[in-house]
Amino acid sequence: DGGITQSPKYLFRKEGQNVTLSCEQNLNHDAMYWYRQDPGQGLRLIYYSQIVNDFQKGDIAEGYSVSREKKESFPLTVTSAQKNPTAFYLCASSTGWQGTEAFFGQGTRLTVV
Amino acid sequence: DQQVKQNSPSLSVQEGRISILNCDYTNSMFDYFLWYKKYPAEGPTFLISISSIKDKNEDGRFTVFLNKSAKHLSLHIVPSQPGDSAVYFCAAFSGGYNKLIFGAGTRLAVHP
Repeated sequence: DGGITQSPKYLFRKEGQNVTLSCEQNLNHDAMYWYRQDPGQGLRLIYYSQIVNDFQKGDIAEGYSVSREKKESFPLTVTSAQKNPTAFYLCASSTGWQGTEAFFGQGTRLTVV
Repeated sequence: DQQVKQNSPSLSVQEGRISILNCDYTNSMFDYFLWYKKYPAEGPTFLISISSIKDKNEDGRFTVFLNKSAKHLSLHIVPSQPGDSAVYFCAAFSGGYNKLIFGAGTRLAVHP
């Protein structure tokens, strides 16, 4: 079955550590996105990628980094520079063309301890 | 600066009645709009969409209306059911940037 998979579902990180969230899709989608959701708030765009080896900053990119070495994969690294990393992280993919919806993974809840 | 705004954080509707969720946008470059439904601790699921060349799209109990001059869209759910209780996100897509922007969401509660 085609879909988009995020792992792990829950992640705990000590302050000062970097951590990488995985996102894989087998939908053959060109575009991939990372969003962050905080309690009671909407989805804020962190980074997005239209094609392999290319990505752009979203609205809240500071403290995060990404790579897009393969079409199927778009990992997000939460660095120690991110001041408030505890949140629910969502990855999505789409064909990138008008007229199609984005598909979301199930999310990763990151907690800094 | 929020480009997609959902000004009502919550809405409560009686079962069987109509639910109307509203969304405003500021960027005239947006050319495709989507509504997503989200349950806690899950990823959003696609509900319905509309292209900027249309003013209405209907799918079963769900209808989306687009008023381009007012930069406003709305989602109508009729009749509302308890299973519709969730957070609804409005999203806008700019083909020029391949960028999908979401609003803050509206929590819908449908009560018996």
